[in-house]
Amino acid sequence: EAGVAQSPRYKIIEKRQSVAFWCNPISGHATLYWYQQILGQGPKLLIQFQNNGVVDDSQLPKDRFSAERLKGVDSTLKIQPAKLEDSAVYLCASSLDVQTEAFFGQGTRLTVV
Amino acid sequence: AQSVTQLDSQVPVFEEAPVELRCNYSSSVSVYLFWYVQYPNQGLQLLLKYLSGSTLVKGINGFEAEFNKSQTSFHLRKPSVHISDTAEYFCAVTRSGVAGNMLTFGGGTRLMVKP
Repeated sequence: EAGVAQSPRYKIIEKRQSVAFWCNPISGHATLYWYQQILGQGPKLLIQFQNNGVVDDSQLPKDRFSAERLKGVDSTLKIQPAKLEDSAVYLCASSLDVQTEAFFGQGTRLTVV
Repeated sequence: AQSVTQLDSQVPVFEEAPVELRCNYSSSVSVYLFWYVQYPNQGLQLLLKYLSGSTLVKGINGFEAEFNKSQTSFHLRKPSVHISDTAEYFCAVTRSGVAGNMLTFGGGTRLMVKP
């Protein structure tokens, strides 16, 4: 069974530029999550989707971050404009539903210079 | 809301020695508890989970953890570590009934196994 796929693996951008990350969850998984992991810290949930609807985005900085999940499958997380403090690993995870465990992708490491 | 405290940011240990990584949580409701491992440049992999039943939970790679409700702890143990266990370990919690939902993670413990 294929796992959660994320791309790109690494990205370096200058501050004030925009960037987008892509996630393909495990087939059949209705719930999709984006986490931000700053170096030396545990992951922090940014947004949760159930199919293509947003369940929780209370910790998403909506002035610069946006996310969508088209057709309830793939998802894209965008940052515009990026700040230095956005440097982190962005992890995507998926689960069958909210009652079952989440499986994580390898993450995208973003460096903002 | 829940919170998780991992008491040690780094744990150095010699190969074949036992290890315990400590995790304490805070919650006003019943919880599910998890331990994840993260190898360098990799995503998170589930080691084990406590949902209900026996408080001693066995996971992959010889790890086990014990849920102690009175002490609000979920410490991770392994009787004999290998070099390959060197990684970052994260304890996580969510409210009962939603095992995949809105995990709250601790800050992580870096396990460094020395030959």
